[in-house]
Amino acid sequence: DTAVSQTPKYLVTQMGNDKSIKCEQNLGHDTMYWYKQDSKKFLKIMFSYNNKELIINETVPNRFSPKSPDKAHLNLHINSLELGDSAVYFCASSQEGVNYGYTFGSGTRLTVV
Amino acid sequence: DQQVKQNSPSLSVQEGRISILNCDYTNSMFDYFLWYKKYPAEGPTFLISISSIKDKNEDGRFTVFLNKSAKHLSLHIVPSQPGDSAVYFCAATSFNAGNMLTFGGGTRLMVKP
Repeated sequence: DTAVSQTPKYLVTQMGNDKSIKCEQNLGHDTMYWYKQDSKKFLKIMFSYNNKELIINETVPNRFSPKSPDKAHLNLHINSLELGDSAVYFCASSQEGVNYGYTFGSGTRLTVV
Repeated sequence: DQQVKQNSPSLSVQEGRISILNCDYTNSMFDYFLWYKKYPAEGPTFLISISSIKDKNEDGRFTVFLNKSAKHLSLHIVPSQPGDSAVYFCAATSFNAGNMLTFGGGTRLMVKP
């Protein structure tokens, strides 16, 4: 039973399109995140969200927007996709105050052509 | 500006020997440090962590050492096993960082049988 699941696992799309990546966690965690792993393999925080606040990394373009219909879901919506958006996107969740350990999803490889 | 750095992109070790993975950080506000392990096509999984009030934490074959004055931590794996072959990410956070982790670029460990 997958703890943090992301769909789709692979996504190939054309420049200019709008796409969404879904994330669901069944751990009862109260905080969810989106990380981007770029071509140099660095994992960089994009968003942190719990039922209290959304924290946005200021370097993330406003074409990226997280949407949370409920505590167990944090979807990532991307408008007007660009070639540079190609990366692996990881969703994660954590329980506040519990040794900061995240549980990650298996990632979504986005390729913009 | 990378606040967490793993200067060795790869490390090769013989089975049964010790693996030492290093990590340096620049932000003196960081007070909690973690190591994650990542296999191909999977998300990172939490391995071990250490608080800044300690200088060592051990869990089975894995030990993390923290040298606050040098802003340096290391992960020791002994004895190394072929199944330990993976990419290891160092991560850091601070109490007021909203549980968000800053990751290093990773070190690929290869344990040869």
